[in-house]
Formats: sequence, structure tokens, C-alpha cells
Amino acid sequence: QSVLTQPPSVSAAPGQTVTISCSGSSSSIGSNYVSWYQHLPGSAPKLLIYDHNKRPSGIPDRFSGSTSGTSATLGITGLQTGDEADYYCGAWDSSVSGYVFGTGTKVTVL
Amino acid sequence: EVQLVESGGALVHPGGSLRLSCAASGFTFSIYSINWVRQAPGKGLEWISYISSTSRFIYFADSVKGRFTISRDNARNSVYLQMNSLRDEDTAIYYCARVETSGWSSGYWGQGTLVTVSS
Repeated sequence: QSVLTQPPSVSAAPGQTVTISCSGSSSSIGSNYVSWYQHLPGSAPKLLIYDHNKRPSGIPDRFSGSTSGTSATLGITGLQTGDEADYYCGAWDSSVSGYVFGTGTKVTVL
Repeated sequence: EVQLVESGGALVHPGGSLRLSCAASGFTFSIYSINWVRQAPGKGLEWISYISSTSRFIYFADSVKGRFTISRDNARNSVYLQMNSLRDEDTAIYYCARVETSGWSSGYWGQGTLVTVSS
């Protein structure tokens, strides 16, 4: 099964901005909507962004998503200690008729 | 309030079988598709199966194809994951999640149930 590629980790000080990249293919990100999820240890994953750049109700506008070609990006501004978590992108992959998640990125607040 | 509750996780020997359940409440279950996603110890999220609202469309990841089956009972607001020929590498927390109407995203997740495959 194909996967989406993310950097293993990113870090920044409180109040700063981080971006997380997600690289896919023409059959995944290039053809289908991208979602982003936050996963804290011991908790259920939470949907942060869907349809490339939409936020579900209750998700602050500090979180943003964008997509271009076969890559997507999650941005987090005004970083808070509560943002320390693992972040995953996800998209349907038409070539395998399956959903694929990114490799995951650990965000550390310094 | 939307709720998804997984159950059925247990310790099972390699080659054994297990059936997981996902009970939904707080929304019109019959119009939503459901995903199963797992996370092995120290690993990332892995999608493993999808079932559409009417069971017309069913998909599996290659890693479980031919060993796992998925079904649902809309009268009972439940989805089931039948896991056969279990392997050590199937050890994971298994989550069910509601698939939103746009873009295949998983909008609501259960807390997960732990499956341990070990001799």
C-alpha cells in the first residue's frame, strides 16, 4: 500500500509557526481531497483539516491546510504546548482503492 | 453527541480469529460509511478497511486482504471487523471512524480497542 511522506519531526518555540509537508502522488493527493489529523498518545485521533483546507467546527483558525499538485501542507501558527502531538495527513488513493495516511510528524514545542 | 465505541479486543494466538465491533450513536448511522484504522506499537496510523453506508462498497488494505472481512448492521447501528489468520504484526489499537460525506475524511473516531497477537 502506498503511503504519504512527511518529515519525522518539527519543532518551534511557543507562539511560533510550524509547517508540515505531505508528499503524495497523482493518484492520491493529486486527485483526491487531503485531510489532516492530530493524534495525542492515549487519545483518539482528531480531524483538523478536511477537503484540503476546511476546518471542522471547533478547530481554531491557527490550523490551516493547503494543497498544490501532489503535495499538501499543514500550518500551525501561535504554537501552544497543547499542540504537542503526532500529525498525519491522509487521502484516498485511486490507484489502490484505499485510504493512505502519511508517515506522521511529531511536533515538539520547545 | 456523536459516539463510536469499539469492543472485542483481546489477546489471541497467531493464526487465531477475533471479531471487533463498533457501536455508533448520536447520528443517523445508516447514511454514513465507516473506516477501520489501526496503530501498531510505535508505528503510525494505518487504514485497513472501509464499508459504505449500504455495504455496497467495501475495501481493504493489502496487509489484511483475504484475512479480514467487514460488515454492518444498520438496524443495530454497528459495524463488525472479522479478523482471521491473525499474525504478530496485527497487534495494534483498532479504531473505527465515521467517514464524512466529502473527501473520505474520518471526522469522528472511537477510543480504540487493543488487539494483541502473541503466543
